[in-house]
Amino acid sequence: AQKVTQAQTEISVVEKEDVTLDCVYETRDTTYYLFWYKQPPSGELVFLIRRNSFDEQNEISGRYSWNFQKSTSSFNFTITASQVVDSAVYFCALSEVRDSSYKLIFGSGTRLLVRP
Amino acid sequence: ETGVTQTPRHLVMGMTNKKSLKCEQHLGHNAMYWYKQSAKKPLELMFVYSLEERVENNSVPSRFSPECPNSSHLFLHLHTLQPEDSALYLCASSQGPKGPPGANVLTFGAGSRLTVL
Repeated sequence: AQKVTQAQTEISVVEKEDVTLDCVYETRDTTYYLFWYKQPPSGELVFLIRRNSFDEQNEISGRYSWNFQKSTSSFNFTITASQVVDSAVYFCALSEVRDSSYKLIFGSGTRLLVRP
Repeated sequence: ETGVTQTPRHLVMGMTNKKSLKCEQHLGHNAMYWYKQSAKKPLELMFVYSLEERVENNSVPSRFSPECPNSSHLFLHLHTLQPEDSALYLCASSQGPKGPPGANVLTFGAGSRLTVL
């Protein structure tokens, strides 16, 4: 069965520190997609990134970077030089690719607090 | 403005009430979703509609009844709920599938915070 584990329930850092949010997943499929979403206090989840299981290249987008390691079933997210506006709950999610499945399985989320 | 609008943002209801949550998307997407977010639990997929046809129903109790009259609107009708149904109900939409639906990126609304007394 699919499973996404975000072991860090809450992280608190001081502004300008780097922080890494961990995500470990379980799946029996060879083809799947991984996602990160951000949920600010306003409530709506905001899409950050999608990776498919065949693309292990790490990705950088501004202060955000993602490290996908199939060997350890991990898809970790690093924020460099964190800012107060980064404070939010971050969700990692997994979607298996089946003919008609829309199921996106979320981890329990990591609450990030960036203090000034 | 996220493109997905949910109303009401907050709802308090008794266990014998009937109410509805509404979701509207302005993005031209053809799939819509209801998720439930409870405290200290992962987001749970409840229902998915693709081209106005229900394609996922995750063993949700019958006191929750979805309705998708067209590709822009999605409702969740609530009837005789229980206090444990108190949660944030999130609507999302996506464009697809072009390729596997599991690859779809979801656009979420801000949610409807439901409290059942």
